[in-house]
Amino acid sequence: EVQLVESGGVGVQPGGSLRLSCAASGFIFADNAMHWVRQAPGKGLEWVSVISWDGGRTSYADSVKGRFTISRDNSKNSLFLQMNSLRAEDTALYYCAKGLFSTVTSPFDYWGQGTLVTVSS
Amino acid sequence: QSALTQPASVSGSPGQSITISCTGTSSDIGGYNYVSWYQQHPGKAPKLMIYDVSNRPSGVSLRFSGSKSGNTASLTISGLQAEDEADYYCTSYTSSNTLFFGTGTKVTVL
Repeated sequence: EVQLVESGGVGVQPGGSLRLSCAASGFIFADNAMHWVRQAPGKGLEWVSVISWDGGRTSYADSVKGRFTISRDNSKNSLFLQMNSLRAEDTALYYCAKGLFSTVTSPFDYWGQGTLVTVSS
Repeated sequence: QSALTQPASVSGSPGQSITISCTGTSSDIGGYNYVSWYQQHPGKAPKLMIYDVSNRPSGVSLRFSGSKSGNTASLTISGLQAEDEADYYCTSYTSSNTLFFGTGTKVTVL
């Protein structure tokens, strides 16, 4: 059974940093692209970032480019999101999502339950 | 542009068919066959319903189908059931190597 478990979400002040983690199991982690998607309270879904199966290709939404960094450790079946210079508008539930395929164009076929990031003074 | 345009709400009676549209540009929907659709029930993680415009993942009901014409993609739900009441989102790959989500559509079963 595919499982994705996010962690690291907490309350942080504007300008602060956080590192989110996603522990994956139930599939060959190194075979698939991985994404981060977020959802602000009561709002729609927003794609944040993607990383290819080998980490060689990444892409970011304009809203987080230059502030967030996605990475993965295939030896530990883990996905990460380093979030710097956080803003109030980054407040959201952050989902880790598994790509159906290995490429960055891949849709998301499994999702975690999310970890809540709150940016407030 | 940062999001694809969807109707805020669509409704139908049980057994009817409904169609949700998702409008983008030639730089996203019109340029690629990488359109997906997701269903999200309140308080739950989204579920993939359609990928690559018209492909259904294993386990998704045949009542769900997808299509595309020009810069607009569509999701059709046939034989509407109470369990289909949820929010639906489209996504598309873009020429900037990013992904856009649609604005979301709330489906109500009357």
